Amino acid sequence: KNQVEQSPQSLIILEGKNCTLQCNYTVSPFSNLRWYKQDTGRGPVSLTIMTFSENTKSNGRYTATLDADTKQSSLHITASQLSDSASYICVVSAIGRGGATNKLIFGTGTLLAVQP
Amino acid sequence: GAVVSQHPSRVICKSGTSVKIECRSLDFQATTMFWYRQFPKQSLMLMATSNEGSKATYEQGVEKDKFLINHASLTLSTLTVTSAHPEDSSFYICSARKTSGGPNEQFFGPGTRLTVL
Repeated sequence: KNQVEQSPQSLIILEGKNCTLQCNYTVSPFSNLRWYKQDTGRGPVSLTIMTFSENTKSNGRYTATLDADTKQSSLHITASQLSDSASYICVVSAIGRGGATNKLIFGTGTLLAVQP
Repeated sequence: GAVVSQHPSRVICKSGTSVKIECRSLDFQATTMFWYRQFPKQSLMLMATSNEGSKATYEQGVEKDKFLINHASLTLSTLTVTSAHPEDSSFYICSARKTSGGPNEQFFGPGTRLTVL
């Protein structure tokens, strides 16, 4: 069964500190992995997208890693800001029939709270 | 580029009425749009896949007669919740996939909060 699990479920850190969020998946055949940030009451916004051959990708203070062998990914946030408070969702895309349609499998998210 | 809008952002309606939610890709064409539902503290759940000019494909357990989807153009898809009930109260999010160029990525709208009284 295709699944995406994230940890921790929630996290509280102080402003300026770093943190790392984890994502484990059992999705096959794997197409790509994305990290999204979802502010409360808003739609998800893409942070990074990585294919099978990519090990790391950065977007400003966000750095995602991917280990396709162990099927694990992490999202590292550097020098956190109050505006980083949000839910971070790991989404894995599976290759559909004929390689054309990619179905997204969503993790349940990590709720991050950055406190002053 | 790749902006997706939704209208309305929030709606409150009485039980038994129908509500229409619009999803637009503002600066790109989207052959395929997706409709998701998200309950509090839960992840997004795919309801249906909407293809321009053809019938939508619904996920298992989603009533197609209750959630009517129309994708009449490459930039607009609508979701109509018919005879809404309080259990339909949720956060509805659409996404759109570009028809050409770039990675095969979905761009999400800001969501519509539906409250059925």
